[in-house]
Amino acid sequence: GAVVSQHPSRVICKSGTSVKIECRSLDFQATTMFWYRQFPKQSLMLMATSNEGSKATYEQGVEKDKFLINHASLTLSTLTVTSAHPEDSSFYICSARTSGTSTDTQYFGPGTRLTVL
Amino acid sequence: AQSVTQPDIHITVSEGASLELRCNYSYGATPYLFWYVQSPGQGLQLLLKYFSGDTLVQGIKGFEAEFKRSQSSFNLRKPSVHWSDAAEYFCAVGNKLVFGAGTILRVKS
Repeated sequence: GAVVSQHPSRVICKSGTSVKIECRSLDFQATTMFWYRQFPKQSLMLMATSNEGSKATYEQGVEKDKFLINHASLTLSTLTVTSAHPEDSSFYICSARTSGTSTDTQYFGPGTRLTVL
Repeated sequence: AQSVTQPDIHITVSEGASLELRCNYSYGATPYLFWYVQSPGQGLQLLLKYFSGDTLVQGIKGFEAEFKRSQSSFNLRKPSVHWSDAAEYFCAVGNKLVFGAGTILRVKS
């Protein structure tokens, strides 16, 4: 089956620093990748949709200058949390969609736990 | 706007008992519907999905779900729960997934 990996799985950083999270589709080409954020005991909230080779589309209320998304290849998307603050601490999850029709299923990565001190 | 309601935040069932997790959705057209499971420390795993056709969908791990258009529901069922089924379950709708708040399943031995 389709596998999506994320790196790192867990990161702790100091307030004011930037953190990069990688999302890779290991055995398929993902024309579209999605980034979600999950707060404790809450559901996943879509942050942005990234299409290979083009700018990401951000959901309402998500700061595009704070959460930089790059989707430079069909197997890699990165999320950079810039100037991180404690309120950015969360569980970040990516998913990748196989190319084809819009009914294709998304495959999820295992998530990255970010803690900002 | 699309939305998903999972009315039960927590459910506890005895091992071997049957299970039904509720999901109601709001969607303007024929929806794409999904159930995912999230175990502690692990990523979301797709249990099953409905796009069209037979309204009773079979998934992995012995789960099934039934799409009922008249009730705007897509409830997840399993005839006999195993201790390893303890996890959080999310219902989602749409091409750009909109998730419900999740239902935490506890299994009593």
